[in-house]
Amino acid sequence: SSELTQDPAVSVALGQTVRITCQGDSLRSYYASWYQQKPGQAPVLVIYGKNNRPSGIPDRFSGSSSGNTASLTITGAQAEDEADYYCNSRDSSGNRLVVFGGGTKLTVL
Amino acid sequence: QVQLVQSGSELKKPGASVKVSCKASGYTFTSYAMNWVRQAPGQGLEWMGWINTNTGNPTYAQGFTGRFVFSLDTSVSTAYLQISSLKAEDTAVYYCARELHGYDGSFDYWGQGTLVTVSS
Repeated sequence: SSELTQDPAVSVALGQTVRITCQGDSLRSYYASWYQQKPGQAPVLVIYGKNNRPSGIPDRFSGSSSGNTASLTITGAQAEDEADYYCNSRDSSGNRLVVFGGGTKLTVL
Repeated sequence: QVQLVQSGSELKKPGASVKVSCKASGYTFTSYAMNWVRQAPGQGLEWMGWINTNTGNPTYAQGFTGRFVFSLDTSVSTAYLQISSLKAEDTAVYYCARELHGYDGSFDYWGQGTLVTVSS
């Protein structure tokens, strides 16, 4: 099965731009989706597909992909963006399986 | 509006079974696949598998075969996760999540989560 690798922790100064990355072989074939999870809450989808935001997600969140790496960029990070971020994608096995990354803890300084 | 409402927290003894429910509303239940995701205390998200809400056919991730069963009652738009022979390591929050059409592995709506605690 495939794996997705994320940095465990990333920090960003308030108002600055931060990129959170996700690496894995499956990303050569499938787009990553990105989820934000705050303590005690269910995950929330923030980016899906090539670079799509669900309704209600601020436009400071964007997604991109190159080769085996997907990125979530937050342009002008806000205090409320401090959270855990997870990527996921289809597994590259082709059996309609899904794999999650280990998550990145984002701290807004 | 779309909602997935899960059943409440459970405290079970090792060896017992538990059944978690996920009631959907605000959309046609059989039009979207339902996935299950586990999150152990302080850990990340782990995909458990999915169930085809049209056919009832389940697919389980590696590590979730044997003791884990996904099922449906389409008459009440509800998906179920049953775990048998519970172990301490099954202690986790379990989420159901709807899969977005046409976007592989994108889960656009999530239940609030059900905490299952396994302790003697």
